[in-house]
Amino acid sequence: GAGVSQSPSNKVTEKGKDVELRCDPISGHTALYWYRQSLGQGLEFLIYFQGNSAPDKSGLPSDRFSAERTGGSVSTLTIQRTQQEDSAVYLCASSLPGQEYNEQFFGPGTRLTVL
Amino acid sequence: GQNIDQPTEMTATEGAIVQINCTYQTSGFNGLFWYQQHAGEAPTFLSYNVLDGLEEKGRFSSFLSRSKGYSYLLLKELQMKDSASYLCAVNYPYDYKLSFGAGTTVTVRA
Repeated sequence: GAGVSQSPSNKVTEKGKDVELRCDPISGHTALYWYRQSLGQGLEFLIYFQGNSAPDKSGLPSDRFSAERTGGSVSTLTIQRTQQEDSAVYLCASSLPGQEYNEQFFGPGTRLTVL
Repeated sequence: GQNIDQPTEMTATEGAIVQINCTYQTSGFNGLFWYQQHAGEAPTFLSYNVLDGLEEKGRFSSFLSRSKGYSYLLLKELQMKDSASYLCAVNYPYDYKLSFGAGTTVTVRA
């Protein structure tokens, strides 16, 4: 079916507010990843979900960041008390399970601007 | 860390060949990926190398040398639509997340 979708495409918020970013993976992809891409920087891993296993949260930069994945499909990345340094493009990707060679299919991203 | 290094920018002429190098100071990785990302769009998969050598796919080829610690992406017969950022990334055994370089922005001129 369709590729990975993310919403919103753009989000402008004020410093200190909370934001929620949504990702709909490709149907049948049990692996889901969140990355962050800051201006001039490479993609930075944030968190990884695989089926019912405990997520790999090793890339989350602070406890203001959290993510959940409901029903093994849709995922929400939440940033609490946003700071200006959180401004970036947040990319979600999904892949098939069970292989180390796992082509990750990326969504178009959410551009977050914290004023 | 993995210290994946790529040139920041490259410019080439339509119809020419460009080679984008990726060097890394890491060992034990599983494989090396190349992704293409047009401005404002999602990265899309180009190639994956796990063994040393050259993998050819149409106008694009990717090379890996583990002993020398580098990879390159070769773009032949450049077209204007090849103007994009090219991202080098690695993953590790039993670890599915990708570690990316900062990307190389290629500009193709007429």
